[in-house]
Amino acid sequence: QVQLQESAPGLVKPSETLSLTCTVSTFSIYNYYWSWVRRPPGKGLEWIGYTHYTGTTNYNPSLQSRLSMSVDTSRNQFSLQLRSVTAADTAVYYCARLARVGLAGFTAYHSMDVWGQGTTITVSS
Amino acid sequence: DIVVTQSPLSLSVTPGEPASISCRSSQSLLHRNGYHYLDWYLQKPGQSPQLLIYLTSNRASGVPDRFSGSGSGTYFTLEISRVEAEDAGVYYCMQSLQSRAFGQGTRVEIK
Repeated sequence: QVQLQESAPGLVKPSETLSLTCTVSTFSIYNYYWSWVRRPPGKGLEWIGYTHYTGTTNYNPSLQSRLSMSVDTSRNQFSLQLRSVTAADTAVYYCARLARVGLAGFTAYHSMDVWGQGTTITVSS
Repeated sequence: DIVVTQSPLSLSVTPGEPASISCRSSQSLLHRNGYHYLDWYLQKPGQSPQLLIYLTSNRASGVPDRFSGSGSGTYFTLEISRVEAEDAGVYYCMQSLQSRAFGQGTRVEIK
């Protein structure tokens, strides 16, 4: 049973805005943080950021100026928008659940414990 | 920004033998609560990443006990006591003390 499913256009033109959506099934979207990670071709994983239904966000500083994330509770979805894309934004994009996996003393600790299957985004004219 | 560096970048291991991957951070990952904020993830070929270890040394649910994590300050290690064929893939450490950032990844090949 698919629990996180990314949807995306596949091909985006340079300078345009990339919009990705991740649909959440089985879980309550209220109970977790929701994150995005990407893997450019031939490179390693890059953390993009996370969001919460309250509007809390935390972005990779290198992408922050171009990035927006949000949660749509009515559709059980969360989304990412990346503006002014270039070829360097070509990657497989993953959505992931950021869940409390343990305690660090009295502080809840969160890790990415459930992942979507990933969707390939190509930036090209 | 905290930068995380892994070594080696690739590793070839015989089944049944141990393996070790190192991860260094540009700043201490010690939180004021006394815990070190470092995770390990594995991306197997054709699959999405999966969580192996959180808070330096805690195995995630379902992770075999041949995987262990240790370390403190700026130096951390992932060890596999006896490598199995299913352990092939790319291993990443990730700091979560300030925002989050992955290491470059270590590709593990099974001989």
